[in-house]
Amino acid sequence: DGGITQSPKYLFRKEGQNVTLSCEQNLNHDAMYWYRQDPGQGLRLIYYSQIVNDFQKGDIAEGYSVSREKKESFPLTVTSAQKNPTAFYLCASSIGGGRATNTQYFGPGTRLTVL
Amino acid sequence: GQQLNQSPQSMFIQEGEDVSMNCTSSSIFNTWLWYKQDPGEGPVLLIALYKAGELTSNGRLTAQFGITRKDSFLNISASIPSDVGIYFCCSGNTGKLIFGQGTTLQVKP
Repeated sequence: DGGITQSPKYLFRKEGQNVTLSCEQNLNHDAMYWYRQDPGQGLRLIYYSQIVNDFQKGDIAEGYSVSREKKESFPLTVTSAQKNPTAFYLCASSIGGGRATNTQYFGPGTRLTVL
Repeated sequence: GQQLNQSPQSMFIQEGEDVSMNCTSSSIFNTWLWYKQDPGEGPVLLIALYKAGELTSNGRLTAQFGITRKDSFLNISASIPSDVGIYFCCSGNTGKLIFGQGTTLQVKP
């Protein structure tokens, strides 16, 4: 069964702690993305990776870090430097490459609450 | 930065009615995508458009890629209660995509 998985679904952390969100895909996609969604808002791009061992900052990368050591995995770390980390985090993947392969497929999301 | 203007922001309609929403941009794009998001879930792809003027249907949904490549619309015919959710337009060129702010649809049985 192909798809994108994110875990956990709900995550609670104390202020000042780093936390890592998991994203795994078995679609054999080259590109992976992390978005943040706040209530009533659209999606904002945090980081993206077009290929293994390479990634680029999105529009709101400050306070976040990522790694792409394996094609299937793109974990996101929310660091203590992120001023307002409570949000819904969405991971997505796409085939990568040219125009017609822009279509992104999303995981179920992780809701992070920092207390 | 680049932005998509999506309207309307919200709609409250009667079951059976048709719905129309649209997205505009100041930039030219190669791809227009429409997603639906249920509360607490990830967005699900409804329709993908890759060519200016393209008109594509998916069941009761129809979307078009504007001929100027700067806009797109999504129509839902004969709405049903399960159409409730947030609809996002999304556009871009190679790699990065940008998202509209979403249209929240509520359907009264």
